[in-house]
Amino acid sequence: NAGVTQTPKFRVLKTGQSMTLLCAQDMNHEYMYWYRQDPGMGLRLIHYSVGEGTTAKGEVPDGYNVSRLKKQNFLLGLESAAPSQTSVYFCASRLTGEGQPQHFGDGTRLSIL
Amino acid sequence: GENVEQHPSTLSVQEGDSAVIKCTYSDSASNYFPWYKQELGKRPQLIIDIRSNVGEKKDQRIAVTLNKTAKHFSLHITETQPEDSAVYFCAASIPGTASKLTFGTGTRLQVTL
Repeated sequence: NAGVTQTPKFRVLKTGQSMTLLCAQDMNHEYMYWYRQDPGMGLRLIHYSVGEGTTAKGEVPDGYNVSRLKKQNFLLGLESAAPSQTSVYFCASRLTGEGQPQHFGDGTRLSIL
Repeated sequence: GENVEQHPSTLSVQEGDSAVIKCTYSDSASNYFPWYKQELGKRPQLIIDIRSNVGEKKDQRIAVTLNKTAKHFSLHITETQPEDSAVYFCAASIPGTASKLTFGTGTRLQVTL
């Protein structure tokens, strides 16, 4: 039981390049979330999904797109990377129902030059 | 939307002393309040959570208290140990919003020998 797995762990991009971050969970969780973590700002929600085929915007969605084609996978895409998107990205998932905890992956450290 | 404020941003205590971290939230509808511990370079990990129908919850050296009237909740760590050194995040969730978490900006706890 791997829990929440994020790939890649590190990546350096040039401004304008695109890439996709993958989050996979093997806990049969319905809900999945993408956060970014910047120094002094805690974790901020980018996009989330309440089930296969559904996505919604979070607090800071601009410049990102997501897809949830399979229940176990949640992809975060950067179409044209900008230096402001340099951050650590965390994926989380949880079961449905009130009070269920979110389980986090190990994060992806992304640098945009 | 929900806003969560967390204080202090840094906290230094001697080993064996107690540590208290405080958070306030803005939306009285919030009903779930988790606390996460994040060690350097690691994922956030849930250490304790509380729901709005409970005023206090304990788990060994860790406790959380909730004051719904004042809209604040606190993390208490007793008999601190060096391994408690980490960044701690509080969060709040409003029911019916896909259980999205709004995080505080974090408290860096340093336990000195």
